[in-house]
Amino acid sequence: SAVISQKPSRDICQRGTSLTIQCQVDSQVTMMFWYRQQPGQSLTLIATANQGSEATYESGFVIDKFPISRPNLTFSTLTVSNMSPEDSSIYLCSAPSVEGTEAFFGQGTRLTVV
Amino acid sequence: GDSVTQMEGPVTLSEEAFLTINCTYTATGYPSLFWYVQYPGEGLQLLLKATKADDKGSNKGFEATYRKETTSFHLEKGSVQVSDSAVYFCALSDAADSWGKLQFGAGTQVVVTP
Repeated sequence: SAVISQKPSRDICQRGTSLTIQCQVDSQVTMMFWYRQQPGQSLTLIATANQGSEATYESGFVIDKFPISRPNLTFSTLTVSNMSPEDSSIYLCSAPSVEGTEAFFGQGTRLTVV
Repeated sequence: GDSVTQMEGPVTLSEEAFLTINCTYTATGYPSLFWYVQYPGEGLQLLLKATKADDKGSNKGFEATYRKETTSFHLEKGSVQVSDSAVYFCALSDAADSWGKLQFGAGTQVVVTP
């Protein structure tokens, strides 16, 4: 199974600032995924991060607000830019198993914007 | 597009009761199906999975069978414990899209009382 380390685990940020979340996978994966879980809600996919190309964003999410980096096959970052209280959520990264039979998740970053 | 529909919660049960959480899906391809569990204050954990029709996934006393004819993947447990209190998410990954990219249901909160 893959181990995904995500940090920070939680943060409280001032509105108007930015936070970068890091995600490290213990094996090389082609694609990584970033999700948002708003309070009491399900998970919504933000974007798919491929190594060596720009991330692919889902409807309702834009690169200026959620820039993503994917410098190699084991690492990705998600930045939440110009934050507002509405950005308060849990952000999770995910990667498929090497065998391609399941998806693993990091522990999540619990973000509170004040 | 692909979608997952699961029964709304919260579901409140007494210890040792039988639990069923209904999940149905729509997909253009041949998806893999998953149940994830999120315990209070924790990240997302894979509970069980099924990758093709008629497969039965099982783990920790939970079971779910991939029913292609009814496009369903209902989760069942014969005798719940207080420690099963959590939010349960049904999800699918369609290999015709990007493997590992998950579409989640809304989540069902389960509360088990002593």
